[in-house]
Amino acid sequence: RKEVEQDPGPFNVPEGATVAFNCTYSNSASQSFFWYRQDCRKEPKLLMSVYSSGNEDGRFTAQLNRASQYISLLIRDSKLSDSATYLCVVTQRGSQGNLIFGKGTKLSVKP
Amino acid sequence: NAGVTQTPKFRILKIGQSMTLQCTQDMNHNYMYWYRQDPGMGLKLIYYSVGAGITDKGEVPNGYNVSRSTTEDFPLRLELAAPSQTSVYFCASSYPGNGYTFGSGTRLTVV
Repeated sequence: RKEVEQDPGPFNVPEGATVAFNCTYSNSASQSFFWYRQDCRKEPKLLMSVYSSGNEDGRFTAQLNRASQYISLLIRDSKLSDSATYLCVVTQRGSQGNLIFGKGTKLSVKP
Repeated sequence: NAGVTQTPKFRILKIGQSMTLQCTQDMNHNYMYWYRQDPGMGLKLIYYSVGAGITDKGEVPNGYNVSRSTTEDFPLRLELAAPSQTSVYFCASSYPGNGYTFGSGTRLTVV
C-alpha cells in the first residue's frame, strides 16, 4: 500500500462547482498534513496546512480524520484559476521533517 | 526576497557526463531537500540536509551526491548521467515541521 494515496482524476468541473478531493495515508505516525498546489510545469506551492479541528481559507476547507487516516480538501465556487494538480502531503514523527507526497489529483475547471 | 533559487532551469546532458545542480536559499532555513519528479508521478526524495555539514539519503539517492558547506547552499551532483535520470529536479527548504518552499525546478534530459 502506498504511503499517501489520492484519486488521480482528472476532475473536470464547471465554474462555480464544488469539488472535493480525498487522500488516505498509511502510517499512523504521520504528524503534519498539508495540501499543495502544482501548476503545469511549475513547482509545488503550499496551499494550506491541515489541522485536526479542520480549517478554512476562503473557498478552501481542509479536514483531517486521524482515526480513519483520511484527509480532504473542499473547493467551493470553483474558478478557472483553480485548475491545477492538488498534492496531499504528510510528514512523520522522527522523519527530519521530510514530506511524503501523493501523486496528486488533477483538477480542470471549465467555463 | 528570492526564496529558493535553482540553476540552471534547463539542461541537456549526454550519457556519462556529469553536472551540478545549484540550489541556494536566503530564508536561513536549516532543512534543505532535493526531490525529483517524473511525468505523472509524485515527488521522490533524493537527499536531504538538516544543517550545514549534515546530509542524508532519501528514497532514491543512487547516482547522486550532495554537500552542505553553508546554510544557504545545497548543490546536487550527478556523476555519469544516465537516461533514467531524465526528470524535473526540485530543491526545497523549510523549518522542521513546516511546509516547504520550493525552487522553480531544473528540467534535465539525458540523451
